[in-house]
Amino acid sequence: GAVVSQHPSWVICKSGTSVKIECRSLDFQATTMFWYRQFPKQSLMLMATSNEGSKATYEQGVEKDKFLINHASLTLSTLTVTSAHPEDSSFYICSASGRTSNYGYTFGSGTRLTVV
Amino acid sequence: QQQVKQSPQSLIVQKGGISIINCAYENTAFDYFPWYQQFPGKGPALLIAIRPDVSEKKEGRFTISFNKSAKQFSLHIMDSQPGDSATYFCAATARGGNKLTFGTGTQLKVEL
Repeated sequence: GAVVSQHPSWVICKSGTSVKIECRSLDFQATTMFWYRQFPKQSLMLMATSNEGSKATYEQGVEKDKFLINHASLTLSTLTVTSAHPEDSSFYICSASGRTSNYGYTFGSGTRLTVV
Repeated sequence: QQQVKQSPQSLIVQKGGISIINCAYENTAFDYFPWYQQFPGKGPALLIAIRPDVSEKKEGRFTISFNKSAKQFSLHIMDSQPGDSATYFCAATARGGNKLTFGTGTQLKVEL
């Protein structure tokens, strides 16, 4: 089945630094990648959608200069949280959708970011 | 119109019982309705999904019931087990790799 690998699973960083999260589709070509943010006991909030080779489309209220998304290949997308602050602490999850007849969505295992 | 409403917010079921979670949508363009299971600290995992051309889909202990005219769909977990204790999200999307619209989630606890 489709597998999406997300790294790191957790990261602690100092306020003001940048953090990069990777999302890789291991056995299929991810034409579209989605990045979500999830607060405790809440639903997934879509941050942005990226298609391979194109600029990401950000949801309303999401700062594109703060959350940089790159989708340079059909198997890799990255989310960089720039100049992180404690309020950016959250659970970040990627999801990939590929060219399959089922157009299923496969999720990564998530990254717990803590900014201190 | 893009919302998917999910209920209940939390649910406690005895082992062996039936867990039922309901969702309702407004957007008639939605044509793919998956359910996801999420354990603490993990990403969501696809449990079962349905398209609007069928009214019911069953996979093992999990069944989706779909009512197109009412724009509602529900997840039934038969013979609920403690290992089923997790958060369940319904979702919906329109064909073509568009973004998923998630429900608010249901925290299920199955007690012995």
